[in-house]
Amino acid sequence: DVKVTQSSRYLVKRTGEKVFLECVQDMDHENMFWYRQDPGLGLRLIYFSYDVKMKEKGDIPEGYSVSREKKERFSLILESASTNQTSMYLCASSLQTSGANTGELFFGEGSRLTVL
Amino acid sequence: QKEVEQDPGPLSVPEGAIVSLNCTYSNSAFQYFMWYRQYSRKGPELLMYTYSSGNKEDGRFTAQVDKSSKYISLFIRDSQPSDSATYLCAMTDDYKLSFGAGTTVTVRA
Repeated sequence: DVKVTQSSRYLVKRTGEKVFLECVQDMDHENMFWYRQDPGLGLRLIYFSYDVKMKEKGDIPEGYSVSREKKERFSLILESASTNQTSMYLCASSLQTSGANTGELFFGEGSRLTVL
Repeated sequence: QKEVEQDPGPLSVPEGAIVSLNCTYSNSAFQYFMWYRQYSRKGPELLMYTYSSGNKEDGRFTAQVDKSSKYISLFIRDSQPSDSATYLCAMTDDYKLSFGAGTTVTVRA
């Protein structure tokens, strides 16, 4: 059974803190993604990675960075958390390359971050 | 204007009713069309996908794509309380995946 695991389901942080969100997939997928989900706005892509040590900006990369040192692990970093980064963060993976993306993403259960 | 528009609802129907969900889009390059289902406090999971225009049926679920109108639909027949979830449409031009905001559906027993 395919599995994308996000290490923290719920986090509460203070403004200015550094936040790490970890994601691990066990499907040997090349592509990994970080989205945030907000009511009325749907899923918005923050960053994605199509290979180890490779990263591409999504639609809303400001205030975020990512790290992919191993194929199975993709981390999202908030260098200095702000209240407007309070959101649900979803990690996903997929097998296809960007040239043949049918959109079959496998999602983790999400990390709900609250920044006070 | 958003690239993909989806009415957020919420939609509440009695058990056994037909649920009708839809999305409109503006990018004529979209070729693959998907519906994801997201239960409360869970991540989305792929429910159905279609390529280009036409219909696709899977059990109680039917997905329709009308590229000429830039309109896609998902129908759920004989709806069950277990169908209560948020349904997100998604579509891709083979490079970028774009999601709708999601429609929350409640099926009342």
